[in-house]
Amino acid sequence: QKEVEQNSGPLSVPEGAIASLNCTYSDRGSQSFFWYRQYSGKSPELIMSIYSNGDKEDGRFTAQLNKASQYVSLLIRDSQPSDSATYLCALKGYQGSGYALNFGKGTSLLVTP
Amino acid sequence: SQTIHQWPATLVQPVGSPLSLECTVEGTSNPNLYWYRQAAGRGLQLLFYSVGIGQISSEVPQNLSASRPQDRQFILSSKKLLLSDSGFYLCAWSPPGLSGEQFFGPGTRLTVL
Repeated sequence: QKEVEQNSGPLSVPEGAIASLNCTYSDRGSQSFFWYRQYSGKSPELIMSIYSNGDKEDGRFTAQLNKASQYVSLLIRDSQPSDSATYLCALKGYQGSGYALNFGKGTSLLVTP
Repeated sequence: SQTIHQWPATLVQPVGSPLSLECTVEGTSNPNLYWYRQAAGRGLQLLFYSVGIGQISSEVPQNLSASRPQDRQFILSSKKLLLSDSGFYLCAWSPPGLSGEQFFGPGTRLTVL
């Protein structure tokens, strides 16, 4: 079983702070990593993808990947109450006869005003 | 731009009744299509995926089935629903190829009573 582990939270941060969300995985062959945001009762929304070691920045979001440590993280700068959601880590792996995404169970983030 | 539709949005069905959920994608050709289930307190579970018309891969043995009668149409079915089939059903698509990015539809919340 290829595991994707996330702390379920909730992670509580004050408005304007940096939120740091972490994910570890067991499949050393994974090459593609994704972060999704899911508001309560809604479907997941892709917010970041990262394929190479290092940092990738998009607006207030930074994804960090360390394949040697099998670790991927998401930083949210200047956190806003509207960032309160569950964040899902996913990685692409081979399943059955094709490629699919393996998802973690998600970390719940609460940004307090 | 690409759009993915799912219907119905919510559904309440008695145990033993049949099920048909439909998903369609607009604005792309030959997408990879996926069905996931998200049960309360659990992560996203991949049920089926398809890389083309009539090509279905099943990831979890159960009383559900899937079909892809047209390039951009994906249907999830059951002949007899179980209580354990309750959950949030999500359809997703990804571009043909190996990028891995998946985009989710709005989902169907199914309650089996």
